[in-house]
Amino acid sequence: EAQVTQNPRYLITVTGKKLTVTCSQNMNHEYMSWYRQDPGLGLRQIYYSMNVEVTDKGDVPEGYKVSRKEKRNFPLILESPSPNQTSLYFCASSDLEETQYFGPGTRLLVL
Amino acid sequence: SQQGEEDPQALSIQEGENATMNCSYKTSINNLQWYRQNSGRGLVHLILIRSNEREKHSGRLRVTLDTSKKSSSLLITASRAADTASYFCATAGTYKYIFGTGTRLKVLA
Repeated sequence: EAQVTQNPRYLITVTGKKLTVTCSQNMNHEYMSWYRQDPGLGLRQIYYSMNVEVTDKGDVPEGYKVSRKEKRNFPLILESPSPNQTSLYFCASSDLEETQYFGPGTRLLVL
Repeated sequence: SQQGEEDPQALSIQEGENATMNCSYKTSINNLQWYRQNSGRGLVHLILIRSNEREKHSGRLRVTLDTSKKSSSLLITASRAADTASYFCATAGTYKYIFGTGTRLKVLA
């Protein structure tokens, strides 16, 4: 089954404790992306990757890191989480600028 | 941020009625996409319309695109209670996707 998986689905952490949210896709897509969704603000793109070892900033990259060492995986790293990073996070994959396939989301609470 | 805007923010209709949502954007695009989201779950793709297309249909969905006005509309005909969800437009261009803020649709049975 074609899918995008994210882990964990729910995470509660404390300020400053490094965390990684994993994302994996099995559709051989070159393009992968991370978004955060906040009430009233829709989805905002954090980082995207056009291929292995090629990443670039989206609209809200501050406080986040990404890496793309394999085509199927695109982890999101919060090296020092802060409460303003409490949000719902989505990973997505696609062919470049085509229909995106979204993961189920990760709810993050930073205390 | 270059987010698009959707109008209305919320819409409540009776089952069987048509629902129309509008999306405005600011940048040049290669295509525009519409997605649906049920209550905080992942987004599901509905339809993609390319910049050289003016109208597209898929089942009960009809999408129009006016690149001169930088706007698009999504029409859901003969709505059902199961159509209750949030609907988002997203523009694709220069490797980025820009989402609108969404329309919350409630269909009353």
